[in-house]
Amino acid sequence: GDSVTQMEGPVTLSEEAFLTINCTYTATGYPSLFWYVQYPGEGLQLLLKATKADDKGSNKGFEATYRKETTSFHLEKGSVQVSDSAVYFCALSEGAGGTSYGKLTFGQGTILTVHP
Amino acid sequence: ETGVTQTPRHLVMGMTNKKSLKCEQHLGHNAMYWYKQSAKKPLELMFVYSLEERVENNSVPSRFSPECPNSSHLFLHLHTLQPEDSALYLCASSQEFGTAVGFGPGTRLTVL
Repeated sequence: GDSVTQMEGPVTLSEEAFLTINCTYTATGYPSLFWYVQYPGEGLQLLLKATKADDKGSNKGFEATYRKETTSFHLEKGSVQVSDSAVYFCALSEGAGGTSYGKLTFGQGTILTVHP
Repeated sequence: ETGVTQTPRHLVMGMTNKKSLKCEQHLGHNAMYWYKQSAKKPLELMFVYSLEERVENNSVPSRFSPECPNSSHLFLHLHTLQPEDSALYLCASSQEFGTAVGFGPGTRLTVL
C-alpha cells in the first residue's frame, strides 16, 4: 500500500538557519503530495501542495518540489523564524482505483523547534 | 479559519460514559473524515464518508460509532472507551480526490 516516510526529528535550528525536512513516498498511482503544519494546541493546516511531477508548491517561504524519479517531496525554507516552530507532516492523496475522495496517508511528523 | 469546526474542543470522560464529538464543515465538500492523533504515532484514519455514505472503516473498535446525517455534519459517538483511546480526534473534509483536505482544530479527549 501507499506510505510516506519523513526524516525523524526533532529538528532544532537557530533563527535564520536553512531548513530541510526530507520526505519520500511509495505509491502505486500518481498521487498528489502535501505538507501540513500543526502548531501547538491546534489542528493541521495545509502548508503547500503539488499535484504532478516537477510541480513546486510554495507558501510562507516554504517550498517543496514533486520529484517522481526519486519519489521525494522535501520541504525547504531558506531562513526559519521562531514562529515556524511546529510539527510538519508530509502526506499523499491516493490516485488510481476509482477513488473519488481525497484520503490522505501521512508520514509520522517532524517536530521543528527554532531558537532565537 | 479552515471552514471545519469541531465541538467540544476538550472532553474528559469516564470509561462508562457515553459522549459524542461533533464536526461541521461549511465548504460544500463531499467527503468527511475522522482521524486519530496519538502521541508518538502517525495520524490514523478512522472513518471516511463520501456523499454521506461510509466508504471506509479502518478496523476501528465498535466503541467508536460514526454518523453522517448530511454532507455538512459528522459525529463520532463514544461509549465504554478505554484510557488508551485518549488522543486528539481530528475531523476533516475534502471536495474530491487530489484536492487538499481541510482539518478542524480537533477534540482533545481524555479517558479516565
